[in-house]
Amino acid sequence: RKEVEQDPGPFNVPEGATVAFNCTYSNSASQSFFWYRQDCRKEPKLLMSVYSSGNEDGRFTAQLNRASQYISLLIRDSKLSDSATYLCVVNPHASGGYNKLIFGAGTRLAVHP
Amino acid sequence: DGGITQSPKYLFRKEGQNVTLSCEQNLNHDAMYWYRQDPGQGLRLIYYSQIVNDFQKGDIAEGYSVSREKKESFPLTVTSAQKNPTAFYLCASSKGGASMYQETQYFGPGTRLLVL
Repeated sequence: RKEVEQDPGPFNVPEGATVAFNCTYSNSASQSFFWYRQDCRKEPKLLMSVYSSGNEDGRFTAQLNRASQYISLLIRDSKLSDSATYLCVVNPHASGGYNKLIFGAGTRLAVHP
Repeated sequence: DGGITQSPKYLFRKEGQNVTLSCEQNLNHDAMYWYRQDPGQGLRLIYYSQIVNDFQKGDIAEGYSVSREKKESFPLTVTSAQKNPTAFYLCASSKGGASMYQETQYFGPGTRLLVL
């Protein structure tokens, strides 16, 4: 089983739609979670951190479910500019004391007019 | 503007050749990282450095080498021992320190390495 798993998609949605991605992680001791956005042939950029209580940033909402070991990203009112690959990222807080991040392979979103 | 720069954007390697990828940051970050990205896979950690003059192997260090002589710079050498080097290479940095588990890693624009 992969440490971080995502549905690769693509998710093809019309403008204005609401779309949700889930991501599961295998290490129950993980404490830090992030969503990164990666445009085609570009570097990943932090979209948002995911907190235990859930958090919202404009049209984006991130949720954490520790019991089921998954995090989710909800995008409301999709824009053409939201088209990208969304990377689920987990810090398992492994021993050794460094900031290790485990990246999912990403979920591709394509928003069409 | 503060940020991370990587050069070159594209790099071609001949068989048996060593090549070096540059990574420079002016964010005053202590920690720096090198990742490799292949199609359909998540980023995989090659090497990381938490402080100047110190670095550690990541998950796929074989065939790669690094140095950290300056805080700002963390070059990666892809040696001839790396048999499948074609990939997108990403350098990242983070602040480092006691709260490192909550830290954001910031990425450079990447270098695409192709084998001739």
